[in-house]
Amino acid sequence: DVQLVESGGDLVKPGGSLRVSCAASGFTISGYSMHWVRQAPGKGLEWVSSISTSSTYIYYADSVKGRFTVSRDNAKNSVFLQMNSLRAEDTAVYYCATVTDGGFDYWGQGTLVTVSS
Amino acid sequence: SYALTQPPSVSVSPGQTASITCSGDKLGDKSAYWYQQRPGQSPVLVIYQDTKRPSGIPERFSGSNSGNTATLTISGTQAMDEADFYCQAWDNDAVIFGGGTKLTVL
Repeated sequence: DVQLVESGGDLVKPGGSLRVSCAASGFTISGYSMHWVRQAPGKGLEWVSSISTSSTYIYYADSVKGRFTVSRDNAKNSVFLQMNSLRAEDTAVYYCATVTDGGFDYWGQGTLVTVSS
Repeated sequence: SYALTQPPSVSVSPGQTASITCSGDKLGDKSAYWYQQRPGQSPVLVIYQDTKRPSGIPERFSGSNSGNTATLTISGTQAMDEADFYCQAWDNDAVIFGGGTKLTVL
């Protein structure tokens, strides 16, 4: 079965850094672009970042550009999101997901990042 | 920047048809996608490329997209369909989500 498992969420102070990970199983991520989507408590979905199969193409939402860095390790079947200069408004559940035919077809369970002093 | 607008809430009686709209400039020229999210769970893709249903999604879920509006229709709505629904489209290489619609079955 396809599975995505996020980890690394934590409580961090404003201005701090955190790296969250997404480990895939049941398929090989090398054939898929990978994506991060977040959801603030009680709010809607917000796309964060996308990375192509060989990391050639990388995109970010304006809200995180310059602060977040997405990367992937196809050999380890994992994707990462390095988050720097964190703000209170970055508090959210962070999901990784795959895309097929333009739709996010597989999602992880999410990892909670809380930015608070 | 591109935006998608959804009504905050829609109510429907069990067994009736629920329609959830998603509006965006010339949205019909793009593909629309729909997700269902139950409380405490991850989103689930229910419609892709305007009208297609992923494997395992009940036939009562259908979609359309024309002009400036995409519509998710749930026929014969069941209590288990109560959830938040989000539309989504691509704007060049960015992903745009609508604000979400809470579907209440009462």
